[in-house]
Amino acid sequence: DQQVKQNSPSLSVQEGRISILNCDYTNSMFDYFLWYKKYPAEGPTFLISISSIKDKNEDGRFTVFLNKSAKHLSLHIVPSQPGDSAVYFCAASGGNAGNMLTFGGGTRLMVKP
Amino acid sequence: DAGVTQSPTHLIKTRGQQVTLRCSPKSGHDTVSWYQQALGQGPQFIFQYYEEEERQRGNFPDRFSGHQFPNYSSELNVNALLLGDSALYLCASSLGGSFNQPQHFGDGTRLSIL
Repeated sequence: DQQVKQNSPSLSVQEGRISILNCDYTNSMFDYFLWYKKYPAEGPTFLISISSIKDKNEDGRFTVFLNKSAKHLSLHIVPSQPGDSAVYFCAASGGNAGNMLTFGGGTRLMVKP
Repeated sequence: DAGVTQSPTHLIKTRGQQVTLRCSPKSGHDTVSWYQQALGQGPQFIFQYYEEEERQRGNFPDRFSGHQFPNYSSELNVNALLLGDSALYLCASSLGGSFNQPQHFGDGTRLSIL
């Protein structure tokens, strides 16, 4: 039973445009959500997080939106840059899951120059 | 400011052997979590150590065990290796006393079982 899902395995975007990565979850007890970026041969790098008491969090070019009623979160990258090309994972924790992170399967983002 | 460091980078073992992977947390962090990432999938939680004790465990068999030392570093041990144990093993550190804090990952150990 996958509690966190990223339904798009890949996404291709032109440089300078917006990238939108989506994530759905089923466990309504999750209360903390994170996005990580992963380059080949490196570990996941923390990008941005959001607590369930908020619906939006911004950090520079990265914004995460949380829709609790739909159990959906998204990551917006504006403007997209070629260096953003990587695999992006969403993750969730909290409630009966405690501190463990439950990850989605990842979305490969390709930003074309 | 040293981040999370893991050793070794790569490891090749045969079925039935035992392996030990090591992790040093980010400076100032006291909690270590271990994850297994199979090819093309997201990381799967193995267990978390805090105050030298296993605080939380994922759905992994007892062949997977760990330890945390007084300096907060940690080891992951896997016994009776199976072909299916081939994966990237990731260590993450965080501040244990606080919830809703991000975990920071090392670059992992790539374990190959022949």
